[in-house]
Amino acid sequence: NAGVTQTPKFQVLKTGQSMTLQCAQDMNHEYMSWYRQDPGMGLRLIHYSVGAGITDQGEVPNGYNVSRSTTEDFPLRLLSAAPSQTSVYFCASKTVDSPLHFGNGTRLTVT
Amino acid sequence: AQSVAQPEDQVNVAEGNPLTVKCTYSVSGNPYLFWYVQYPNRGLQFLLKYITGDNLVKGSYGFEAEFNKSQTSFHLKKPSALVSDSALYFCAVREGSQGNLIFGKGTKLSVKP
Repeated sequence: NAGVTQTPKFQVLKTGQSMTLQCAQDMNHEYMSWYRQDPGMGLRLIHYSVGAGITDQGEVPNGYNVSRSTTEDFPLRLLSAAPSQTSVYFCASKTVDSPLHFGNGTRLTVT
Repeated sequence: AQSVAQPEDQVNVAEGNPLTVKCTYSVSGNPYLFWYVQYPNRGLQFLLKYITGDNLVKGSYGFEAEFNKSQTSFHLKKPSALVSDSALYFCAVREGSQGNLIFGKGTKLSVKP
């Protein structure tokens, strides 16, 4: 049972480039979410989804897009990367009665 | 709006001593409270939660937390710290069974031999 899988583990982008952070879970969880972790800021919610075809914005959604075409996958897209998006990104999933299960993160640097 | 405060950026404890990591919260309804731990270069791992019932909640690795409604606190405790407990600890809250989890800024626990 792999749980929540995030790829890539590390990524370096130049300002203005675009990329997609992948997240997949094999636990049939309805809820999936993306957080970013910055020093002294804790974890801040970017986007979340309560099921396939449904997405919504979290606390810091600007500059990011998401889609949820299947229950298993919840990719996060950076349309035009900025240095302010340098961070560690975590994907997490849950069912109604379970705590959040986290992936191991993607460390993104934008130069 | 929901919020969580972890007033200490770092807590230092000697191995074998009791430890406490503090957390206070603010929600308008019934709080669902959680503690997570993060080891270096890893995702967050669930430790314990409070939804209802006994104010003292027991979790993984010998940790426990005490819910205090009047003080709106949910402090994490362990009777005897281990060096391997050194990590980053996050308190989180959500209002009710649905909704998103709001995290505190984290407290770095350092346990010295």
